[in-house]
Amino acid sequence: TAGITQAPTSQILAAGRSMTLRCTQDMRHNAMYWYRQDLGLGLRLIHYSNTAGTTGKGEVPDGYSVSRANTDDFPLTLASAVPSQTSVYFCASSDRDDNEQFFGPGTRLTVL
Amino acid sequence: GQNIDQPTEMTATEGAIVQINCTYQTSGFNGLFWYQQHAGEAPTFLSYNVLDGLEEKGRFSSFLSRSKGYSYLLLKELQMKDSASYLCAPMDSNYQLIWGAGTKLIIKP
Repeated sequence: TAGITQAPTSQILAAGRSMTLRCTQDMRHNAMYWYRQDLGLGLRLIHYSNTAGTTGKGEVPDGYSVSRANTDDFPLTLASAVPSQTSVYFCASSDRDDNEQFFGPGTRLTVL
Repeated sequence: GQNIDQPTEMTATEGAIVQINCTYQTSGFNGLFWYQQHAGEAPTFLSYNVLDGLEEKGRFSSFLSRSKGYSYLLLKELQMKDSASYLCAPMDSNYQLIWGAGTKLIIKP
């Protein structure tokens, strides 16, 4: 079982460019999440989706957008990247019944 | 506001016992998770407490006191592979996890 996958593993991006980080899960989980993790800070929620067709804003949503067209996929888009978006991005999913979140391997993004 | 407080770093000796404390303030409460994160990797689930008391799972145990807003993770018979960051994450009234910055645990031989 693949669980939850993310692509790319890492990326260097020029400021002002757009990029989509991909996330796919095969566990049929209802909920999916995007976090960023920066040194010395806890995971911060960017956006989430409780079920296919719905999305919500987390703690730090500015500069990011998401969509949830189906249960498995939850892409995160940076419309115009800025250096402060340099971070490690984790996608996670959970089943409504037990709330344990399963994490993807992460995408390391550097914006120059 | 919502706040999580846990030590930034701890050091312990292989074979010993270590307790990592976490205090929290959240808007509502629906349980508390502990995750382990090795450097450069994703967090992985360790434990979940929703009621007061101690939950034991092998070498790891987790304790919760809801009235005190307090939890701890107890690691016994420490091994070198336990060197990692340990993340405390209570769940608020919206079922969102509120993440602490984590405690980096260094194990010395």
